[in-house]
Formats: sequence, structure tokens, C-alpha cells
Amino acid sequence: GAVVSQHPSRVICKSGTSVKIECRSLDFQATTMFWYRQFPKQSLMLMATSNEGSKATYEQGVEKDKFLINHASLTLSTLTVTSAHPEDSSFYICSARDRLRTDTQYFGPGTRLTVL
Amino acid sequence: AQSVTQPDIHITVSEGASLELRCNYSYGATPYLFWYVQSPGQGLQLLLKYFSGDTLVQGIKGFEAEFKRSQSSFNLRKPSVHWSDAAEYFCAVGAPSGYSTLTFGKGTMLLVSP
Repeated sequence: GAVVSQHPSRVICKSGTSVKIECRSLDFQATTMFWYRQFPKQSLMLMATSNEGSKATYEQGVEKDKFLINHASLTLSTLTVTSAHPEDSSFYICSARDRLRTDTQYFGPGTRLTVL
Repeated sequence: AQSVTQPDIHITVSEGASLELRCNYSYGATPYLFWYVQSPGQGLQLLLKYFSGDTLVQGIKGFEAEFKRSQSSFNLRKPSVHWSDAAEYFCAVGAPSGYSTLTFGKGTMLLVSP
């Protein structure tokens, strides 16, 4: 149980384009999902917290107009990187918190974004 | 503010030897404590967690961790390491309400030598 998927696993795009990453909780309902960014050989940095049906809460320094988050259902959250630039290249990981068991986050496998 | 320190960036252990990965935290009360493992290019897998009660917690893959309040530590252990354990290990803390975000340590890379 407690499986989280992400799609795509890898994406390469040209500078200036937008990329959408999906995060799904497959066998549980997630009222809260989290988006992290991980640079090579570094820890996870929380970007934003999204709650189903409401606006995401962004961490300090994260541009909300650049990283659009939508959490339209209890099993799906999306992160859209708008007008991507090479410095946005990174490993993006989502996690989801079970609606019924709020004490643990379950992580997706991550999405490797490369912006050329 | 809460923080997590994993003092070892890299650790190399011989296959079959015992392992201990250190984690110290700073928090006003006893937080929720977690250990996650990340294989290269993958997401994080939960190994174990501590919320309350018995200070020695058992996790998956033969791992265990001990919460020591007096030392603000939550060290991860395994009696006999397998080559497949080579990965990055992250310690994390969260507020005991269960509704908070997680703060991660910088991670410890475990290398297993034959």
C-alpha cells in the first residue's frame, strides 16, 4: 500500500517551454501533497505544500508564478514549470500524505527535468 | 526552528559488517522521526518511523533505529549490511502533530565494499 507515482520519470525540453509533472496517490487519498526539488548530491528542498481544493503554500524563495501547482482531486497533484530555463533542471519529487493517516509522507519516484 | 544533522556524508562498510548511521535533531519537543532511503535516480522509500512508545523501532529490510531523547539522536542500524543496501539515507523530522512538513538532513551515502 501507500504507492505514489509520478509521470513522466524523465523529460527533456527546450528553454522557454512549459512542462507538467503529475503526482498520483494510487491506493490512498491524499488531502496534502508536497513538492520537493533535489539538486545533485544534496538533500530535498521543500518547494510547496498543496492541499486538495485550495491554493498551494510556497516556501520562501520559490516563485509561485513559475512553479504552478494544482491539486484538483484527492489523488492527483500537478506541478507545471512555466517558461523553463536551464537552471530549472533538477530532480523533482512529490510526496503525499494519507488522508486517514496523516503522520507519514509517501514519496514518488521522482522526475528528472532537463532544460536545454 | 527544527534542524537535522547527519554528520557523515559518506560511509563505507564491508558487506556483512554492521552499520550505524548517525542522526541528531534540534527541536523543542520530541518530534516525529523518520529514516528514508534513496537509490540513485529514485524517490524516497520509508524505512522506519518513530512517533512515541518503545524507543527501539524496527523497519523494513532489517533496519532498526533507536531514539535517545537525552542525546537528541535517532541513529539507524543494521547488523549485517548487504551490497544492495548501498544508497543514500536521509533522516527527517516533523512536528508531532502529524500535519507538518518534514525537515531533512543532508543525507549519508552508504557504500558497501565486497
